[in-house]
Formats: sequence, structure tokens, C-alpha cells
Amino acid sequence: EVQLVESGGGLVKPGRSLRLSCTASGFTFGDYAMSWFRQAPGKGLEWVSFIRSKAYGGTTEYAASVKGRFIISRDDSKSIAYLQMNSLKTEDTAVYYCTRGVYWFDPWGQGTLVTVSS
Amino acid sequence: QSALTQPRSVSGSPGQSVTMSCTGTSSDVGSYNYVSWYQQYPGKAPKLKIYDVSKRPSGVPDRFSGSKSGNTASLTISGLQADDEADYYCCSYAGSYTWVFGGGTKLTVL
Repeated sequence: EVQLVESGGGLVKPGRSLRLSCTASGFTFGDYAMSWFRQAPGKGLEWVSFIRSKAYGGTTEYAASVKGRFIISRDDSKSIAYLQMNSLKTEDTAVYYCTRGVYWFDPWGQGTLVTVSS
Repeated sequence: QSALTQPRSVSGSPGQSVTMSCTGTSSDVGSYNYVSWYQQYPGKAPKLKIYDVSKRPSGVPDRFSGSKSGNTASLTISGLQADDEADYYCCSYAGSYTWVFGGGTKLTVL
């Protein structure tokens, strides 16, 4: 079964950092691009970041709202995607989901809640 | 404000059909056949229902169908069932490896 499991969320103060992990199983992780999305409480979905597979250079893309603060990476040997979140703001408070794909996304992990508050 | 515009809510009775729209621009929906639709129950992760405008992933019943005309995509659910009640989000590729979503439509099965 293809599965994605996020971890690393929690309560953090503004300006601090947090690293999220997305552990994959059930498929050849290195063959796929991976993305992070988020959903603020009571709000809609927002794309955050994207990383290509190594076959396509492993390069990265970011939404304007997080560019320069967040860093996406991957460890294909461990089947894990990461999202390093720096200089966190209160508006980064959301459930963060990881997912697989390029033009459409499936499956999605269960999400991990990040709360940025003093 | 979301990049794509979806009606806040739609409703229908069991067995009926409902259609929900997703309006973007010539820079996203109008330019690419990469519109996807996601179903989300409260507190749960989104689930892919339609991709590439009108394709269904394995396991999604043919009661779910998608289409696009110009800058507007649509999701139709026929033969409404109680467990179709959920939030539905459309997503479009917007070029340069960026993606935009609609604000979501709450489907109520009466």
C-alpha cells in the first residue's frame, strides 16, 4: 500500500524553526516528485513547495509566501522528504501535508499540525 | 483570497446530480489540462477524485466526472450518495511549477 506519514509538527514561537518529515512506503520513492501543501485552520489548501526526482535534477520550487524561509529536501535512501521551516510567522500556522506527483497529487499523508504562536 | 473561484456550497438530494464549478484565468485553468479535484472530509486528508481535467484514478466510481471549458473547470457527481458529503477542492497547474487551488465547495446531501 502506498503510504505517506508526516511528522515533526508542534507549537513553535514566531521566528523559530521547525523541520517536518514525510516518510514514504509502498513505492519507489526516488522515482517521484514530492510536494508539501498546507491548510490553515478553517481555510483552503495552499501549495507550499515541490522537489523533483533526482532523474529530473532534484531541483526545488517554492510558493512566494515561503520562498527564502522554507527549504524542501529529500533523502531517497531513507524514502523521506523534509521541509525545513525557518523564520516562522503566525500565518504559517496550518496542517502540513506531503504528497506525491507533479500535475496531480496522490496519495496525501494524514498531515501534521504546525502552530506558530508566542 | 484563493486563486481559483469555487462556489462556497452546493447541495442535492440522494440520487440526483450536482455540478460544481472552478473558475480560473487564462494563466492557469485556461492554459493547461492539469486540473485536478480533491475530496476532503472534516479533519481528514484530501483524496484525489479527478486528474487531468477528466480522468478518474483507479477506484473512483464513474459517478464522478470532470470537464473544462475555457477558464472554467467543473466536477459533476451523479447518483449522489450520503458519503459524498464533503468539501471539494479544485487545483490547477499555473505554470513555472506552481499550483493554485480554489477555496473549496461544501457539498451537502439533503
